[in-house]
Amino acid sequence: AQTVTQSQPEMSVQEAETVTLSCTYDTSESDYYLFWYKQPPSRQMILVIRQEAYKQQNATENRFSVNFQKAAKSFSLKISDSQLGDAAMYFCAYRSAFSGGSNYKLTFGKGTLLTVNP
Amino acid sequence: NAGVMQNPRHLVRRRGQEARLRCSPMKGHSHVYWYRQLPEEGLKFMVYLQKENIIDESGMPKERFSAEFPKEGPSILRIQQVVRGDSAAYFCASSPPLAQGRSYEQYFGPGTRLTVT
Repeated sequence: AQTVTQSQPEMSVQEAETVTLSCTYDTSESDYYLFWYKQPPSRQMILVIRQEAYKQQNATENRFSVNFQKAAKSFSLKISDSQLGDAAMYFCAYRSAFSGGSNYKLTFGKGTLLTVNP
Repeated sequence: NAGVMQNPRHLVRRRGQEARLRCSPMKGHSHVYWYRQLPEEGLKFMVYLQKENIIDESGMPKERFSAEFPKEGPSILRIQQVVRGDSAAYFCASSPPLAQGRSYEQYFGPGTRLTVT
């Protein structure tokens, strides 16, 4: 079974600065997808960024980018020019790229609570 | 294009009562997933459904919990004889058909916060 580990329960960053959230995962599969979701105080889960494991290029969405290290099974999220609205719980998630069985589900880490200081 | 809809947003039940949680997927999405989030935890998968079919219920407790996604209408997660340990946030997510691009992405509703007293 796949596992996702987020080793930083809490992180803080100054407004306009850059912060990196860590995520590691364990899998024996060769193809999969990785995601970062944001959960603000409203509790709505918002998809921030996704990465296909077969792509070597790191995904980027505006101020959000990832550092995907497949061999190390590492998938960190970098937030540049942090804004007050970035304050939230961030979850890393894994999904198999194979069909069938339990492969459609997302497996989540326990989350990192990000505080943005003005 | 409306997102995933869940209702009610908050639900209070006494021990022993039944809880019914509803989820309407995004327009054009035919796959529905239910997850549970306990306090201070990440989301845990419960069940995956397509119209009229349960595809994977490996995360669903064997007793008291059931889910359906009928041909017409929303998906329903039903919890019978609720206990205090069922208190949690329940999230529904949907994804497009497999034939469409990015069918691996799941889009979440706002969740239902169930409190059992």
